[in-house]
Amino acid sequence: DIQMTQSPSSLSASVGDRLTITCRASQSISSYLNWYQEKPGKAPKLLIYAASSLQSGVPSRFRGSGSGTDFTLTISGLQPEDFATYYCQQSFSPPFTFGPGTKVHIK
Amino acid sequence: EVQLLESGGGLVQPGGSLRLSCAASGFTFSSYAMNWVRRAPGKGLEWVSVIYSGGSITYYAGSVRGRFTISRDNSKNTLYLQMNSLRAEDTAVYYCAKDRNSANPEDALDIWGQGTMVTVSS
Repeated sequence: DIQMTQSPSSLSASVGDRLTITCRASQSISSYLNWYQEKPGKAPKLLIYAASSLQSGVPSRFRGSGSGTDFTLTISGLQPEDFATYYCQQSFSPPFTFGPGTKVHIK
Repeated sequence: EVQLLESGGGLVQPGGSLRLSCAASGFTFSSYAMNWVRRAPGKGLEWVSVIYSGGSITYYAGSVRGRFTISRDNSKNTLYLQMNSLRAEDTAVYYCAKDRNSANPEDALDIWGQGTMVTVSS
């Protein structure tokens, strides 16, 4: 099975900040990497698919990049509604594992 | 409107069984792979299982393989998860989720249900 790791596991940030979350796969997954946002009591929301494609309706301040084993999610100009937990997921081969998540706190 | 609605969660004793359902609407259900994902209290998301559009190809997470069975009824636009030999560590909110791309089952999950809670406890 492909293992996914994320760093950091949590971070504190302020409105307007630019932040970067890193995701690493245990083997090459080409660009089969997706990013989700989860808020308490709500279903996860797809942000980025295929490593760098922005899901319809998602603000352009979210950007994904990377290929192979190393990927990043960048949020430019953090907004109050962006404080949440972010997960990466590989869809290269089943089981389609998620990373452990990165929780973004308000500083 | 594209919608997924899970049902069937509840309290079950260890070793017991439960069947979850996910009713789909607003899209051509039979064209898309469908997944189950869960989140245990205080933990992260865990992918559980996928069934491809025709229903004959399925995959499972190692933690549930041999105990859970995913299935679908394309005539009823409904996804199922039969859960047997339940353990305390299966306690979680279970979400059904639709693949984004009908042509490629190895894709992201773009539509999620609201989730149904399963509690395994004596």
